[in-house]
Amino acid sequence: LAKTTQPISMDSYEGQEVNITCSHNNIATNDYITWYQQFPSQGPRFIIQGYKTKVTNEVASLFIPADRKSSTLSLPRVSLSDTAVYYCLVGASNSNSGYALNFGKGTSLLVTP
Amino acid sequence: DAGVIQSPRHEVTEMGQEVTLRCKPISGHDYLFWYRQTMMRGLELLIYFNNNVPIDDSGMPEDRFSAKMPNASFSTLKIQPSEPRDSAVYFCASSLLAGTTDEQFFGPGTRLTVL
Repeated sequence: LAKTTQPISMDSYEGQEVNITCSHNNIATNDYITWYQQFPSQGPRFIIQGYKTKVTNEVASLFIPADRKSSTLSLPRVSLSDTAVYYCLVGASNSNSGYALNFGKGTSLLVTP
Repeated sequence: DAGVIQSPRHEVTEMGQEVTLRCKPISGHDYLFWYRQTMMRGLELLIYFNNNVPIDDSGMPEDRFSAKMPNASFSTLKIQPSEPRDSAVYFCASSLLAGTTDEQFFGPGTRLTVL
């Protein structure tokens, strides 16, 4: 799996846009970028995934530049309930051999009033 | 479907005791994963199964840890004997496929405290 680097923590006020950048310099051609969100006292949940350019859903947007060596998760107008840990994962589909999925520490986002 | 079910939600035990954590995956999911989460190390994959067969247990910390999946609807993670450093939240997850792109569905976790 491509190694990823993301900030340990971020702070934001309610109503602001939050952008969390993940670096993955060694991303492979077949790799996708996947983000999970973990609320306190819960397990992580899948929020968005992309391969290139931009992906948007009801939760977030994911921006991926042409070289794919980084990606940015964008949360528009955050609220207190967006306080969570966000994990960036990079890897391929259905990789059955030598499979490993370590989420690491993620980025802890704190939203305050 | 009720999602991934884990039990117990909380477990407090004394050092040296055996601990068994349980997981029921989502019906139809062929893959089951066990994770451990601590402040120091984050969320780590311990072991995963495909169709009840262990595929990769390289994340299991030592011989005190063992995991089984006797059938498609049940898995256990056992620690014997337990130690204070095993204190963590243990998550079970399941998915249809096992690639990084394949969405995993996590249970609520078991918070283990070893005194």
